[in-house]
Amino acid sequence: GAGVSQSPSNKVTEKGKDVELRCDPISGHTALYWYRQSLGQGLEFLIYFQGNSAPDKSGLPSDRFSAERTGGSVSTLTIQRTQQEDSAVYLCASSQGGRGNGELFFGEGSRLTVL
Amino acid sequence: GESVGLHLPTLSVQEGDNSIINCAYSNSASDYFIWYKQESGKGPQFIIDIRSNMDKRQGQRVTVLLNKTVKHLSLQIAATQPGDSAVYFCAERSYSSASKIIFGSGTRLSIRP
Repeated sequence: GAGVSQSPSNKVTEKGKDVELRCDPISGHTALYWYRQSLGQGLEFLIYFQGNSAPDKSGLPSDRFSAERTGGSVSTLTIQRTQQEDSAVYLCASSQGGRGNGELFFGEGSRLTVL
Repeated sequence: GESVGLHLPTLSVQEGDNSIINCAYSNSASDYFIWYKQESGKGPQFIIDIRSNMDKRQGQRVTVLLNKTVKHLSLQIAATQPGDSAVYFCAERSYSSASKIIFGSGTRLSIRP
């Protein structure tokens, strides 16, 4: 597609349920990022992929969070046993990669509400 | 830990005036800085970037200034327009952290007619 696509755009779930958020990056972009943004806050780094590997997982808040990327394209962020504090907008971004490229192309996010 | 922060959480500017948004960073190893704009309900959008071997870079109506001595970054928007209303984030990356890009907390820019 022309831009980064995320789904679902909105997800309401009950505490304790698992959720999966999907990101479809721009075709040909090797780098993929996940960020979390709470209401009125900045972007919290979660994880970064270069190809299918994740050199940096340091931002994942707990072991309930995991992410994978297959075929160097689509990525899935999974949150197990959701808690209310997981409520936020989860943003995915992709870039052409490389050290000199800080131009990330963001999707419109997946808004997660945990009741 | 590493952090990027902003001096002013909100900024109100008269339409047509210039806007200056400031940012402080704490990681002296940061070698690359980026400004993003986020409109309501959308993902952030790249505005301009600057490497640590530069102290100024200009784009269309925007200028980024970098002062490594005091670890300060600013974004100047000339002739501010209503469409400039958004939240602006500075972001940084350190040479040692590969492509991990850390965002600051943001400044909301509002334009007075």
